[in-house]
Amino acid sequence: GAGVSQTPSNKVTEKGKYVELRCDPISGHTALYWYRQSLGQGPEFLIYFQGTGAADDSGLPNDRFFAVRPEGSVSTLKIQRTERGDSAVYLCASSFGSKETQYFGPGTRLLVL
Amino acid sequence: ILNVEQSPQSLHVQEGDSTNFTCSFPSSNFYALHWYRWETAKSPEALFVMTLNGDEKKKGRISATLNTKEGYSYLYIKGSQPEDSATYLCAYVTTSGTYKYIFGTGTRLKVLA
Repeated sequence: GAGVSQTPSNKVTEKGKYVELRCDPISGHTALYWYRQSLGQGPEFLIYFQGTGAADDSGLPNDRFFAVRPEGSVSTLKIQRTERGDSAVYLCASSFGSKETQYFGPGTRLLVL
Repeated sequence: ILNVEQSPQSLHVQEGDSTNFTCSFPSSNFYALHWYRWETAKSPEALFVMTLNGDEKKKGRISATLNTKEGYSYLYIKGSQPEDSATYLCAYVTTSGTYKYIFGTGTRLKVLA
């Protein structure tokens, strides 16, 4: 079956602009996670959804970052007033339940100039 | 701050060589340890999930062991092949809070033909 997909695969933007990153999880997976991998680091947790609600958003770095999952399937990560330090690979993962192995998408590579 | 460390950061081996990497994690509040393989421009692929002290898992030429009392896991690759070239990530999960991964920085493996 289809795996987790993310769009766009690459995004180049200018400092101060707004970006949206999309994640399509595996059908039927109720849990969805966003992670961010900066250069030279391992992926870091951003936010976790169980169904439509954000069950844990403790990893969001500041209020410029926001994520939604309005129908419990597709999720969008939104970044306002982008900064050069936001440049990273943004990974999305989904799992069938909340304590299951997570399946990852290929990531969106964001470059803020 | 929970610290997950992987070593070495990178290594090059010849085709046919066997190799191993280490993932170190806090021994307290352990719930699970996941291993992933991440090839460039692809999705991280789940290799193993390990939960019990003394666990040994095997998948083809790749195997992993777990020691929760001392806080480490080893990943072994027997008879490395060029297609094994990838970044290998371990992800630690604690008993507290949500099932979010705490990743190490990864080991980048290059197998030379």
